[in-house]
Amino acid sequence: AQSVTQLGSHVSVSEGALVLLRCNYSSSVPPYLFWYVQYPNQGLQLLLKYTSAATLVKGINGFEAEFKKSETSFHLTKPSAHMSDAAEYFCAVSERDSSYKLIFGSGTRLLVRP
Amino acid sequence: DAGITQSPRYKITETGRQVTLMCHQTWSHSYMFWYRQDLGHGLRLIYYSAAADITDKGEVPDGYVVSRSKTENFPLTLESATRSQTSVYFCASSQYYGYTFGSGTRLTVV
Repeated sequence: AQSVTQLGSHVSVSEGALVLLRCNYSSSVPPYLFWYVQYPNQGLQLLLKYTSAATLVKGINGFEAEFKKSETSFHLTKPSAHMSDAAEYFCAVSERDSSYKLIFGSGTRLLVRP
Repeated sequence: DAGITQSPRYKITETGRQVTLMCHQTWSHSYMFWYRQDLGHGLRLIYYSAAADITDKGEVPDGYVVSRSKTENFPLTLESATRSQTSVYFCASSQYYGYTFGSGTRLTVV
């Protein structure tokens, strides 16, 4: 079964520093890949998704992610962190089958220090 | 309004009671999903539905029942609530690989 691993349950960066949140998937066939953000007491908002077009995917709020098949990774980055980026981030995958199920990683909480 | 609506937003219930969480979408998306969110586990799939009258189990279905008599509604029922079912529940709908999530229901079982 497909699984998603997010390394680091908490990541802390200084304001203005690079943000790097890691995500690895287990499937041998590249799935569709997603990053979601969740602000406190809110639902999930889609940041970006990879559906087999360009391997570098640009999303909202200055985030981007690169699909690397050889590393089975889909890490999320942002060049310069803002205080408003503090939230929980979830990586998710969906296998290219008829179920359209989304399988989520356990999440990474991003803390941004002033 | 168009979108996906979950109700209630908050619910407190007692152990052993039956409780139903509602989910309604206005897009006529074929696929609908129920997830629970718990600290350290991310979101785990409880049940999903490919169309009206077609449902299937996800990763953590025990203790839950779903139905889908109409495309737009996908209620989730806890037949006999337990404290381990205290969680935040999210409903989602999908057409192809575009997913939309509801705002969630925070359920506390005491």
